[in-house]
Amino acid sequence: AQSVTQLGSHVSVSEGALVLLRCNYSSSVPPYLFWYVQYPNQGLQLLLKYTSAATLVKGINGFEAEFKKSETSFHLTKPSAHMSDAAEYFCAVSESGGSQGNLIFGKGTKLSVKP
Amino acid sequence: DTAVSQTPKYLVTQMGNDKSIKCEQNLGHDTMYWYKQDSKKFLKIMFSYNNKELIINETVPNRFSPKSPDKAHLNLHINSLELGDSAVYFCASSQAPGGSVYEQYFGPGTRLTVT
Repeated sequence: AQSVTQLGSHVSVSEGALVLLRCNYSSSVPPYLFWYVQYPNQGLQLLLKYTSAATLVKGINGFEAEFKKSETSFHLTKPSAHMSDAAEYFCAVSESGGSQGNLIFGKGTKLSVKP
Repeated sequence: DTAVSQTPKYLVTQMGNDKSIKCEQNLGHDTMYWYKQDSKKFLKIMFSYNNKELIINETVPNRFSPKSPDKAHLNLHINSLELGDSAVYFCASSQAPGGSVYEQYFGPGTRLTVT
């Protein structure tokens, strides 16, 4: 069964510092992987997705993620944090070819950005 | 123009009441979903409809009944509300069911509080 683990429920960085949010997945078939962001009192917005076309995926707002099959990881990074990046981030996995195709979410990582 | 909209945004009601949440998407998508986000921000799928047909029905009390009058709408009706139903409910849509490259687009959420 597929699953997602996000290490660290809360990450705090200083403005301008590197952002690294960790995501590990478990899947018996090649997965599709997604990162979503949720700003306070809002719905989820897609940051980026991995669909096997390229292992390094660039998303919106300067975020990117690298798919590493050997490590079953899909960590999210941003070189320089901005105050507006403060939000909850969710990693999600969907098994390719799944007949029902549940999108399984991790428990989320809250990113705080200090001035 | 809002892609996925939900009404109401906030819903406060007493135990035992029946309530409905409406969802509409104008993206032309075939698949719609209902998710529940608990107080710890954990997201779990409840239902999924594809072309007005139910394709995912997770372990949800039968007090919850989704209804899809057409591809653009997926409403959620809840009978005999309980305190544990308090959560944020998100509607989402995608071009095709999960298990594909297609990401899901989320509505702004409905915060349900049962007193």
